[in-house]
Amino acid sequence: GNSVTQMEGPVTLSEEAFLTINCTYTATGYPSLFWYVQYPGEGLQLLLKATKADDKGSNKGFEATYRKETTSFHLEKGSVQVSDSAVYFCALSDGKGNLIFGKGTKLSVKP
Amino acid sequence: GAGVSQSPRYKVAKRGQDVALRCDPISGHVSLFWYQQALGQGPEFLTYFQNEAQLDKSGLPSDRFFAERPEGSVSTLKIQRTQQEDSAVYLCASRHSTGGSYNEQFFGPGTRLTVL
Repeated sequence: GNSVTQMEGPVTLSEEAFLTINCTYTATGYPSLFWYVQYPGEGLQLLLKATKADDKGSNKGFEATYRKETTSFHLEKGSVQVSDSAVYFCALSDGKGNLIFGKGTKLSVKP
Repeated sequence: GAGVSQSPRYKVAKRGQDVALRCDPISGHVSLFWYQQALGQGPEFLTYFQNEAQLDKSGLPSDRFFAERPEGSVSTLKIQRTQQEDSAVYLCASRHSTGGSYNEQFFGPGTRLTVL
């Protein structure tokens, strides 16, 4: 069946450090891939998405590339800020449009 | 409001009680989803509506869980005879259209249910 595996946290970085959160998936067909973010006390928000192989999603300095050959969708940011502290969820959309999420990775950025 | 709203935000129930959780989707959104998020986990799909029709309820964990959307707008998730394992955050999401797995789902803030 469809599933998403992402690196476990928590991840603690200093401000301006480089961020990578790994995400791999198992799916039949060609799912769309997403990164959602959950800031403290807030609901899930879409951060970026990619709908086909080799697509790169980007938003707010974050990027992720849909890699079909490695079934991966790793999240990266070149220079994190304290305001990026949140929980990040990788997800795929199955054939019915339902989202299947990873367990989430908590990121803490220290000044 | 412009976003998805849910009520109550917090609910404490004694084991065996029935609870009802409400979701107000974004106006005009055809699709509505319910997810369950256990502590420290990612959200897990429960059920999906297209307008008033419940097209997929494969994620409902037991027959104690029931969802409805009678007029194709507001939805209610009901849990009968709550158990401690039902403690979780229940998330509602809506999507403008029916098709296209790449279309964004907009999430509400969730209802945190604690069963004592």
